Amino acid sequence: AQSVTQLGSHVSVSEGALVLLRCNYSSSVPPYLFWYVQYPNQGLQLLLKYTSAATLVKGINGFEAEFKKSETSFHLTKPSAHMSDAAEYFCAVSEGDDKIIFGKGTRLHILP
Amino acid sequence: DAGVIQSPRHEVTEMGQEVTLRCKPISGHNSLFWYRQTMMRGLELLIYFNNNVPIDDSGMPEDRFSAKMPNASFSTLKIQPSEPRDSAVYFCASSSPVPPTQYFGPGTRLLVL
Repeated sequence: AQSVTQLGSHVSVSEGALVLLRCNYSSSVPPYLFWYVQYPNQGLQLLLKYTSAATLVKGINGFEAEFKKSETSFHLTKPSAHMSDAAEYFCAVSEGDDKIIFGKGTRLHILP
Repeated sequence: DAGVIQSPRHEVTEMGQEVTLRCKPISGHNSLFWYRQTMMRGLELLIYFNNNVPIDDSGMPEDRFSAKMPNASFSTLKIQPSEPRDSAVYFCASSSPVPPTQYFGPGTRLLVL
């Protein structure tokens, strides 16, 4: 069965510093992987997705994620954090059917 | 593309009342999902439809909850009777086929007093 583990329910970084949000997945078949972002009082917004093409996936707002099969990881990074990046981030996995399994989320805090 | 549309955006009701949440998916998407989000339980999948047919309703909490999708452009989630523990944000999402990418609506914030 597919599953997602996000390490750290809260992550704090200083403005301008590297953002690294960790995600490990479990899947019995080559997965589709996603990162979503949720700003306060809004719905989840697709940040980026991996669909078995390039292993380094670029998304919106300067974020990117790298698919590492050997580590079953799909960590999200951004070189320089901005105050507007403060939000909750969800990693998700799908085995190609309709359902997407979401992680529990990581709340990103940006320190001035 | 207007995205997924949900109404109402906010709903305040009293315990025992019927609540109906509405969703219009993105045109051309063949799957529709209802989620509930709370601080305590996070994001929970309640039910999803494929081509207007309910496929998995194992996440529906109890018989007080029901969902319908009479056509490809409309779905409802009904709670009858509502209880304070139903207070949450309810999201609707629709999905394109492979890859199964879900797009979320803005949510309905429900408060049951």
